[in-house]
Amino acid sequence: EAGVAQSPRYKIIEKRQSVAFWCNPISGHATLYWYQQILGQGPKLLIQFQNNGVVDDSQLPKDRFSAERLKGVDSTLKIQPAKLEDSAVYLCASSVTAGGAYNEQFFGPGTRLTVL
Amino acid sequence: AQSVTQLDSQVPVFEEAPVELRCNYSSSVSVYLFWYVQYPNQGLQLLLKYLSGSTLVKGINGFEAEFNKSQTSFHLRKPSVHISDTAEYFCAVSENTGGFKTIFGAGTRLFVKA
Repeated sequence: EAGVAQSPRYKIIEKRQSVAFWCNPISGHATLYWYQQILGQGPKLLIQFQNNGVVDDSQLPKDRFSAERLKGVDSTLKIQPAKLEDSAVYLCASSVTAGGAYNEQFFGPGTRLTVL
Repeated sequence: AQSVTQLDSQVPVFEEAPVELRCNYSSSVSVYLFWYVQYPNQGLQLLLKYLSGSTLVKGINGFEAEFNKSQTSFHLRKPSVHISDTAEYFCAVSENTGGFKTIFGAGTRLFVKA
């Protein structure tokens, strides 16, 4: 079974530039998550999708961050414009469903973003 | 809203010694509890989870954790660690309601010395 795929693995941009990250979850997983992991901290949930609907985006800085999962499969996360404090690893995860016995989250390798 | 506190940011231990990584949580509703491990330059991997039933949960790589509802704790233990256990360990809690949002602790870096 293929795991969660993310690209790119690394990205370096100047502040005020735009950047996009892509995630392909495990086939059949209805729930998809985007996390931001700043160095030395635990992952922080940015947005959670159930199929192609948003379940939680309470911690997404909506003035600069956007995410979509149009066909309920892969997803993109965009930052426009980027700030220095956006430097972090962006993790994508998926699970069969959000609650119950099938809520184990499978994580991708992450995208390390450096904003200069 | 739920929260998670990992009481130790770093835990150095000698190889073959026992280890305990501490995790406390707070929530007004019932929760699911998880421990994830992150090896250098890799994504997170589930070690074990508590959903319901027996409070002692066994996971991969010889790890186990005990859910203590009265103390709102979910400490991770291993009786004998190996060099290969050196990694970052994250405790996480998901409320058993609504969107089942997951909150992660800040992590504990386990460093196993020869």
